[in-house]
Amino acid sequence: SAVISQKPSRDICQRGTSLTIQCQVDSQVTMMFWYRQQPGQSLTLIATANQGSEATYESGFVIDKFPISRPNLTFSTLTVSNMSPEDSSIYLCSVGSPGVGTGELFFGEGSRLTVL
Amino acid sequence: GQNIDQPTEMTATEGAIVQINCTYQTSGFNGLFWYQQHAGEAPTFLSYNVLDGLEEKGRFSSFLSRSKGYSYLLLKELQMKDSASYLCAVMDSNYQLIWGAGTKLIIKP
Repeated sequence: SAVISQKPSRDICQRGTSLTIQCQVDSQVTMMFWYRQQPGQSLTLIATANQGSEATYESGFVIDKFPISRPNLTFSTLTVSNMSPEDSSIYLCSVGSPGVGTGELFFGEGSRLTVL
Repeated sequence: GQNIDQPTEMTATEGAIVQINCTYQTSGFNGLFWYQQHAGEAPTFLSYNVLDGLEEKGRFSSFLSRSKGYSYLLLKELQMKDSASYLCAVMDSNYQLIWGAGTKLIIKP
């Protein structure tokens, strides 16, 4: 298993500002995933953070809006830039190797952002 | 397109049995997952099915029929702590996880 620490756990932000979410894992992992979960909706993958290369973004998500850093195998950050109320959501960091074994994912506690 | 369907909400009584269904249409199939998510917390892994049949793990069992694109999660001897959302997710041919919206399970005494 993996233990994942995310911070902040929650924040209230002003429109137009940016916020960086940090994700720390207690073991080295190849891939880290950033998800968004809006109220009552399914998890939506934003991007996959790979160490040593640029993140891979899913359709509808761009680097300018959600820049990601992955400086080493245990840490990643996701920045939500130029926030609007539509960005109010829970952002989850996740690790695992979906293509290997059971593909079990482990999630951080989530960061609940409210944009006013 | 890819689609995962599961009921939005279900209610059951403490001590009873409940079955949460999930149907899927995806580009390929590399396994189906069930996760539990308590309100305000992160999802936690419950089960993984890649072959047809029933996988039993304590009070929880998960069933898969690939030909029907269908799975269910069976919870027995329900406890109040089982009140949570249950997320169905399918791994497609590109090893991407496609998530359902989740089923909110309410347990009543």
